[in-house]
Amino acid sequence: AQTVTQSQPEMSVQEAETVTLSCTYDTSESNYYLFWYKQPPSRQMILVIRQEAYKQQNATENRFSVNFQKAAKSFSLKISDSQLGDTAMYFCAFKTRNTGFQKLVFGTGTRLLVSP
Amino acid sequence: EAGVAQSPRYKIIEKRQSVAFWCNPISGHATLYWYQQILGQGPKLLIQFQNNGVVDDSQLPKDRFSAERLKGVDSTLKIQPAKLEDSAVYLCASSDTSGEGTDTQYFGPGTRLTVL
Repeated sequence: AQTVTQSQPEMSVQEAETVTLSCTYDTSESNYYLFWYKQPPSRQMILVIRQEAYKQQNATENRFSVNFQKAAKSFSLKISDSQLGDTAMYFCAFKTRNTGFQKLVFGTGTRLLVSP
Repeated sequence: EAGVAQSPRYKIIEKRQSVAFWCNPISGHATLYWYQQILGQGPKLLIQFQNNGVVDDSQLPKDRFSAERLKGVDSTLKIQPAKLEDSAVYLCASSDTSGEGTDTQYFGPGTRLTVL
């Protein structure tokens, strides 16, 4: 079974600074997808960024980028130029690429607080 | 485009009572998911529908939980009888494909259930 571990329960950063959230996962699969989801205090979960494991290039979405280390099974999220609106819970998630139904497996989350 | 709708937003019941949650996915989305998110944990998939058929209910406590998606659109999740450990946020999500690949899951605001 796949597991996702987020070892940082809480992180804080000042506005305009950069912060990195850690995620590691365990799987015997070679093809899979990784995601970062954001859940603001209002609880509407939204997708931040996604990575396909067969792609070596790290995904980037505006101020959000990932550092995908397949051999180390590590998938960290870097937020540049942090904004107050980035305050939220961040969940790392894994999905196998095998045929059949493919469910998301979430980590326990990291609470990020961006302060002025 | 309207998002995933859920009701009620909050529910408080006593143990052994029954409760039902409703979800209306994004129009045209074939796949619908119900997640349970216990405080301090990441969401855990309870059941996944493809149109009106169940593709994964392996983590649904079938002795007390049931779900249906009539006509492949709206869905209801029911708990009967509720236990204290069912206190959680119940998230509904939908996606416009079979759930394969990097398709984005769009989440609703959730229903916060408190069992006393």
